[in-house]
Formats: sequence, C-alpha cells, structure tokens
Amino acid sequence: DQQVKQNSPSLSVQEGRISILNCDYTNSMFDYFLWYKKYPAEGPTFLISISSIKDKNEDGRFTVFLNKSAKHLSLHIVPSQPGDSAVYFCAETSGSRLTFGEGTQLTVNP
Amino acid sequence: EAQVTQNPRYLITVTGKKLTVTCSQNMNHEYMSWYRQDPGLGLRQIYYSMNVEVTDKGDVPEGYKVSRKEKRNFPLILESPSPNQTSLYFCASSTYSGPDNEQFFGPGTRLTVL
Repeated sequence: DQQVKQNSPSLSVQEGRISILNCDYTNSMFDYFLWYKKYPAEGPTFLISISSIKDKNEDGRFTVFLNKSAKHLSLHIVPSQPGDSAVYFCAETSGSRLTFGEGTQLTVNP
Repeated sequence: EAQVTQNPRYLITVTGKKLTVTCSQNMNHEYMSWYRQDPGLGLRQIYYSMNVEVTDKGDVPEGYKVSRKEKRNFPLILESPSPNQTSLYFCASSTYSGPDNEQFFGPGTRLTVL
C-alpha cells in the first residue's frame, strides 16, 4: 500500500507560469518531506525539503507547502522554465528510511 | 568531484546467472542505500546501510543481498536473478546527521533479466 502518492503522472505548463505538483501521504509520523528532480539517464537530485513542524519552505523559485490536516503537500515552481522539465518525486523520511511517491513528469513548454 | 558511481550502467543477463552491481562513493558518507525504479511505482528502497558492517532491509529486499565491508562501497548482489528484477537501479549515499539529509544518487543501472 503506497504511503506516499502522487496522483498526477504528468503535468504540462507554459513557460513563465506556475507549476504545482502535489503529493498525499498516510503516515503522520514522518520527520521530513523532500522533493527530488530527475532528468532522463541521470539519478535523482535533491531539490527542497520541509520539516514536519513547518508549513512552508521557500528556496528561490521553489516553494513547498505542507498541510498536515489534509496530509497533503505541494511544490510550487514560479516562474516555470523549460529546464524544469523533469520527473519530480516527493519522498517522506522516517528515521533512516526514505519512501518515495510514484513521480510526476513535468513538461514546461516554451 | 564528489560523486556516486555505479557499474555497470547497462546489463542484460539471463535467469539464474548471479550478478553484482557495484556502487562506490567518494564523499566519506556513512549512509548508503539501493533503490529500484519501476513505472508507476516510483523508487522503492531495497536495502540500506548506516555504516560499515551495518545493513538493513528496505521495502523490497527479496531476491537481493548487500554487503558493506568498506565505507565507500555498497555492492548489490542478485544470487539468482529473475525477470521480475528487470528494473532501473539507483545507489545513493548521504552523511547521517539528521533525517533531512539529502541523498546523492548515482546515475543508475538498467538491468534486464531474460
């Protein structure tokens, strides 16, 4: 049973607009959520994280929001750029374990 | 250059023929882990290691073995590969100074078991 779910396999947006990637989770005992980005033929790379005690974390164009009552988090990318086109994974940490969602393919069109 | 390397990058083998995928990191990281990526399932953890001689099962350990004899190396062993182990495999490492530690991933090994 998937503990971290990304229900949208793909998302397409225009360059300059906002991209919103979503993630739902079931485990309330997590420590952090992390977002990773993956380009084809490469390993995932870390993007941004959020602690369980926060509801927002921002790093440049990337902002992650955490809604604990809804067990939902989202990654906002503003403005979106063609180089952001990649697969995005959310991942939950609990102790030394990392549990990933299925991933969402983001395509940013010029 | 700080990196995680995996070898081979691509491998086609047959059912039952033992194979090893090597993973090495040059960042003196304590924590290392193996994942497999399958369509619609994301990345699933196979095994992880907190330090030398310390390994533990992840979510999908069946059919795999690992060892951690040296800090820098964490090989993944398939004693008798089967077609359902056809997948994209990633090795990752991190320091272990807290649960928010980002993991550094290798480039991946695409394995096909016929």
